[in-house]
Amino acid sequence: NAGVTQTPKFRILKIGQSMTLQCTQDMNHNYMYWYRQDPGMGLKLIYYSVGAGITDKGEVPNGYNVSRSTTEDFPLRLELAAPSQTSVYFCASRSQGLTEAFFGQGTRLTVV
Amino acid sequence: ELKVEQNPLFLSMQEGKNYTIYCNYSTTSDRLYWYRQDPGKSLESLFVLLSNGAVKQEGRLMASLDTKARLSTLHITAAVHDLSATYFCAVDMNTDKLIFGTGTRLQVFP
Repeated sequence: NAGVTQTPKFRILKIGQSMTLQCTQDMNHNYMYWYRQDPGMGLKLIYYSVGAGITDKGEVPNGYNVSRSTTEDFPLRLELAAPSQTSVYFCASRSQGLTEAFFGQGTRLTVV
Repeated sequence: ELKVEQNPLFLSMQEGKNYTIYCNYSTTSDRLYWYRQDPGKSLESLFVLLSNGAVKQEGRLMASLDTKARLSTLHITAAVHDLSATYFCAVDMNTDKLIFGTGTRLQVFP
């Protein structure tokens, strides 16, 4: 059982480049989340989704976009990378509210 | 906007001692979760608390929830080195957002 899978694990981007962080889950969970974790800090919610076709902003959505065309996939898009987006990005999923979320292994992104 | 605060932010404690981590949140919610994160790793679920007065225990860790006080506690009993990690609480808003606390970095020394 793979759970939540994120790719890539590591990436270095130049300022102004764009990229998509991939997240897929095989647990048939409706709810999916994207967080960023800056060094030594807590997790900040970027975007979340409660089902295919439904997305909503979290605490720090600026500079990011998401889509949810299938239950399994929830990609996060960075359009114009900035040094402030250097962080570790975590994707998580859960079956619904009232349940624990399961996390992927994270993507470590550096913008130079 | 929901704020979730933990204290202390950093805790250095001796093996065998007891201590409590506090998680305060700013809006009404009766759903709270505790997670553990080892350095350089992802998050692992520890406890799910779904009602006022809920108490869960696993080994040397015990979590409780007081929704009226908007407070959850994570109590550590007779700490051991293996408990060294960062602990996060997370609060489930009615909008299905899952908001995390600031984290408490625990270091247990001999």
